[in-house]
Amino acid sequence: QQPVQSPQAVILREGEDAVINCSSSKALYSVHWYRQKHGEAPVFLMILLKGGEQKGHDKISASFNEKKQQSSLYLTASQLSYSGTYFCGTEIRGGSNYKLTFGKGTLLTVNP
Amino acid sequence: DAGVTQSPTHLIKTRGQQVTLRCSPKSGHDTVSWYQQALGQGPQFIFQYYEEEERQRGNFPDRFSGHQFPNYSSELNVNALLLGDSALYLCASSLADQPQHFGDGTRLSIL
Repeated sequence: QQPVQSPQAVILREGEDAVINCSSSKALYSVHWYRQKHGEAPVFLMILLKGGEQKGHDKISASFNEKKQQSSLYLTASQLSYSGTYFCGTEIRGGSNYKLTFGKGTLLTVNP
Repeated sequence: DAGVTQSPTHLIKTRGQQVTLRCSPKSGHDTVSWYQQALGQGPQFIFQYYEEEERQRGNFPDRFSGHQFPNYSSELNVNALLLGDSALYLCASSLADQPQHFGDGTRLSIL
């Protein structure tokens, strides 16, 4: 089942913060975050594993709440280069399930 | 170190035709997954290949088929093309439990 992302779109001024959420109705093994700029390939940001810790690099971090089956992506002090569509991909382990199911995406626009 | 490469970049076909898309995985990767991305949507899983076999399949009809070669490269074939098959087709490669890395995709337009 497709994870639900919120918000669908967000507009920021450079330097502002944003949070993007990803929720699933199924028990998740992992959550993968990607950013896709228009006309380009999705670029891997980070992976959150069940039982894992909050991850981050530079000013982008993420968390995974196993009780709620929800992951959040935190972008602090946003830069113009952060603009793009952010997708979460969820993975459910068990049996032979290897696929990633992506949400519809969150369009982030950072203005000067 | 070359990343995931896909060919062709763009393709225009007419309804009923057949198409083959190609993917070379990132060096060191042995698993290839194919996704379909409609405009304004997230990528949808088509299938995944590992050790030259289809390991898992998403909700796509049999018109969509694939192949993986001994050098880990892969092909996606779509028969009897429909207007609704117009989309960006993405290939992603990975190794074991490591994250998937995507290619730039093939933009397929059906007239």
